[in-house]
Amino acid sequence: DVKVTQSSRYLVKRTGEKVFLECVQDMDHENMFWYRQDPGLGLRLIYFSYDVKMKEKGDIPEGYSVSREKKERFSLILESASTNQTSMYLCASRRGYEQYFGPGTRLTVT
Amino acid sequence: LAKTTQPISMDSYEGQEVNITCSHNNIATNDYITWYQQFPSQGPRFIIQGYKTKVTNEVASLFIPADRKSSTLSLPRVSLSDTAVYYCLVGGPGNTGKLIFGQGTTLQVKP
Repeated sequence: DVKVTQSSRYLVKRTGEKVFLECVQDMDHENMFWYRQDPGLGLRLIYFSYDVKMKEKGDIPEGYSVSREKKERFSLILESASTNQTSMYLCASRRGYEQYFGPGTRLTVT
Repeated sequence: LAKTTQPISMDSYEGQEVNITCSHNNIATNDYITWYQQFPSQGPRFIIQGYKTKVTNEVASLFIPADRKSSTLSLPRVSLSDTAVYYCLVGGPGNTGKLIFGQGTTLQVKP
C-alpha cells in the first residue's frame, strides 16, 4: 500500500514563526502536492512538484514556499506564520491519475 | 483545466441508491474523471475513475455520457458510514499532475 505521512497531526505556532510541514511518501512517486482545506472552500492547491528540485505554484502560493531535495520528501514552509494560515494542510503524491493523501496537519497560528 | 460543478449537499437514507452528478463542460479530450471521498479529519481517498461509458468497482459506479460533459457517481445501498464529502475532478497526466478540487458534495446518510 502507498503510504503518505505528514510530520504532525496537530501543530500550534505563534504569529511570525517560521513553520515547516514535512511530507514523505514511500512509493517513488514523481508528483507531490500541498493543499490547504478550509470550511466552505474545499481543497485549494498551494504548490506542487513534479520532480526533485522542480516546483510550480498552485492557486494560493502567497505566504508559502516549498522544498523538494529528495524524491520522497516534500516540505511546505511558512516563512512568517500569520493567523490567516490557520488551516488543515494536506499532502499528496500521485501515481497515474490517482492521488494518495496523507492524514493532514491541523495548524493553528495564534 | 476543466472546472467542475456539483451540488453542495445531498441527503439520503440508509439502503437507498445515491447518485451525485458533476458537470464539466470544458473537459479536454485526454482528461479522465475521478471521484474522491473524504471523511472528517482525514485526507481524501480515491473511489473511482473513468473516461467514458460506465465503470464499476466494489464501491461505486461511474456513468459518463457520450459527450463527457457530465458524470454521475452512483453509490448503491448507502449506509451511515458513507456520510462524507465527495469530490469530482477532471484532469490528465499531461498537465504535470495538477488537479483542481472543487467544494465537493456533502452527503448525509440518515438512519
